Amino acid sequence: KQEVTQIPAALSVPEGENLVLNCSFTDSAIYNLQWFRQDPGKGLTSLLLIQSSQREQTSGRLNASLDKSSGRSTLYIAASQPGDSATYLCAVRRGGNTGKLIFGQGTTLQVKP
Amino acid sequence: EAGVTQFPSHSVIEKGQTVTLRCDPISGHDNLYWYRRVMGKEIKFLLHFVKESKQDESGMPNNRFLAERTGGTYSTLKVQPAELEDSGVYFCASSPRGRETQYFGPGTRLLVL
Repeated sequence: KQEVTQIPAALSVPEGENLVLNCSFTDSAIYNLQWFRQDPGKGLTSLLLIQSSQREQTSGRLNASLDKSSGRSTLYIAASQPGDSATYLCAVRRGGNTGKLIFGQGTTLQVKP
Repeated sequence: EAGVTQFPSHSVIEKGQTVTLRCDPISGHDNLYWYRRVMGKEIKFLLHFVKESKQDESGMPNNRFLAERTGGTYSTLKVQPAELEDSGVYFCASSPRGRETQYFGPGTRLLVL
């Protein structure tokens, strides 16, 4: 059974700091991995999607890496800003005919000005 | 392009009552997903539609939950009768055929008293 874990559950950093959020999964047979952002009371916004054959994806100040064999992914945020404050979720898709995503519990990030 | 919309945004009902949640996916998206997050837990998959067909309903908790997608456009999720443990946030997501990224709606917050 696939389980996804995110550590830490919460993180508070000063503005400008570079930071890393961690995601681990128990079954390496994944099709892809997605990182989402959720603002309070809002839906999820997809940030980056990494296919199982890829090692990393970048979008602006965000970089996500994937090490499928070790069951780990990291989301690197460069030069953090107060607007980055949100909950960050990772989710894995096993593949096959279903688009089912399995989520971690998320890391709540606060960036202090 | 309009995003995924969900109605209502909030619903408060009493145990034993019936509630119907609606999701309008992004126009043209064949794939539609339902997820929910109960208090303190991670977001969990409920089911996946491809057009009007149920592709994967492995996450539906029990037969009190009924999902439909008539005509392959909007979808409804009915809970009948509602129980206290059904309280949570119900998310809908959609994606185009052949594309992996899922686009989430803002969610419906359901409280069963």
